[in-house]
Amino acid sequence: NAGVTQTPKFRILKIGQSMTLQCTQDMNHNYMYWYRQDPGMGLKLIYYSVGAGITDKGEVPNGYNVSRSTTEDFPLRLELAAPSQTSVYFCASSDVGTSGYEQYFGPGTRLTVT
Amino acid sequence: AQKVTQAQTEISVVEKEDVTLDCVYETRDTTYYLFWYKQPPSGELVFLIRRNSFDEQNEISGRYSWNFQKSTSSFNFTITASQVVDSAVYFCALSETRSWGKLQFGAGTQVVVTP
Repeated sequence: NAGVTQTPKFRILKIGQSMTLQCTQDMNHNYMYWYRQDPGMGLKLIYYSVGAGITDKGEVPNGYNVSRSTTEDFPLRLELAAPSQTSVYFCASSDVGTSGYEQYFGPGTRLTVT
Repeated sequence: AQKVTQAQTEISVVEKEDVTLDCVYETRDTTYYLFWYKQPPSGELVFLIRRNSFDEQNEISGRYSWNFQKSTSSFNFTITASQVVDSAVYFCALSETRSWGKLQFGAGTQVVVTP
């Protein structure tokens, strides 16, 4: 199993450009999440999904969009990139085990908007 | 609303010293989970431990130990005999049972271990 994979690893965007961060998991998990980590801070939830076709906003959703057409994929779309979106983005997936949710994180995408 | 506070921004120790990281949480739920993650300089998140709110038994795993106290809403983490490889940012996180596994993270504590 590859677990949770994210592409790209690094990206530099100009202000106003758009891009999609890709996230794929091969564990057949129902739940998927996008977090962002600003320098020196903890992770904050952007969007999450509880299954294909179902998404909802997290703590910091402004400037982002998501879709979940399959169980495996959960792309994050940035429209009109702004310097405030410079961050490291982590995708995660989880499912309910015998001991509650177990979250698996991808390696992260480092995004710089200049 | 849930909240996780890690009051220590950075802790510096000399190798072989013990270091304790504090975590205080707030939640209205009676059922929840607490986590510790390690983020080394390479940037990935490494899962260390998960505890549910019904299990207050403290745990030791090698040089790591955790002290969970519901009465004070704290879930502290101790590294015994620290090593340079322990240098990292450590995050405490909370997930309420009804929150679909969403994690609320603390701001993290940077641990610097010098030889």
